[in-house]
Amino acid sequence: DSGVTQTPKHLITATGQRVTLRCSPRSGDLSVYWYQQSLDQGLQFLIQYYNGEERAKGNILERFSAQQFPDLHSELNLSSLELGDSALYFCASSVGRNTDTQYFGPGTRLTVL
Amino acid sequence: AQSVSQHNHHVILSEAASLELGCNYSYGGTVNLFWYVQYPGQHLQLLLKYFSGDPLVKGIKGFEAEFIKSKFSFNLRKPSVQWSDTAEYFCAVIVYSGGYQKVTFGTGTKLQVIP
Repeated sequence: DSGVTQTPKHLITATGQRVTLRCSPRSGDLSVYWYQQSLDQGLQFLIQYYNGEERAKGNILERFSAQQFPDLHSELNLSSLELGDSALYFCASSVGRNTDTQYFGPGTRLTVL
Repeated sequence: AQSVSQHNHHVILSEAASLELGCNYSYGGTVNLFWYVQYPGQHLQLLLKYFSGDPLVKGIKGFEAEFIKSKFSFNLRKPSVQWSDTAEYFCAVIVYSGGYQKVTFGTGTKLQVIP
């Protein structure tokens, strides 16, 4: 158990819908990272927040957004969902803002029908 | 833009065989390197990491990796694999760019160990 929690575990929705994925970092960690893992693209870094502020951006689509709240939990919002958004979405956390070891959550499996 | 290449997509080995998984990255500056493992049905776990110092890094479960700067490589090795090593292995690189850190993962190598 890494100490990072993600909810829900599984999510099934339809195209065009909007969903919110939630992540709680390890106690004491200030950075939260979001990743998308799909069969064809592997593991893609989406975005990082550090202490409530956006810190780094990866291959995140404009339809996707994230935020980190004062209690340090984070939410990833996916809108106008397409079939290709079906994937495993991981959250990770680390202590600092820079080159720290990241600890991964169990992931949320999103299926878009 | 930085990239990470894992050339072996699927590796099948018998138990007790030696393992070497390749990881090459393209970035000329300072990098921090990681290997993660994802066992079937589980989340990513850190195997080992390199920030600085001794380029030969030892990780958990008997894994080690060697950072060769001149070759831009960080290959993962294990002298004798076990059936329980069956998993997917990801190499990751973190660099700084424009005051931000950027994280790039390789596409992963699926290792299947046959008893």
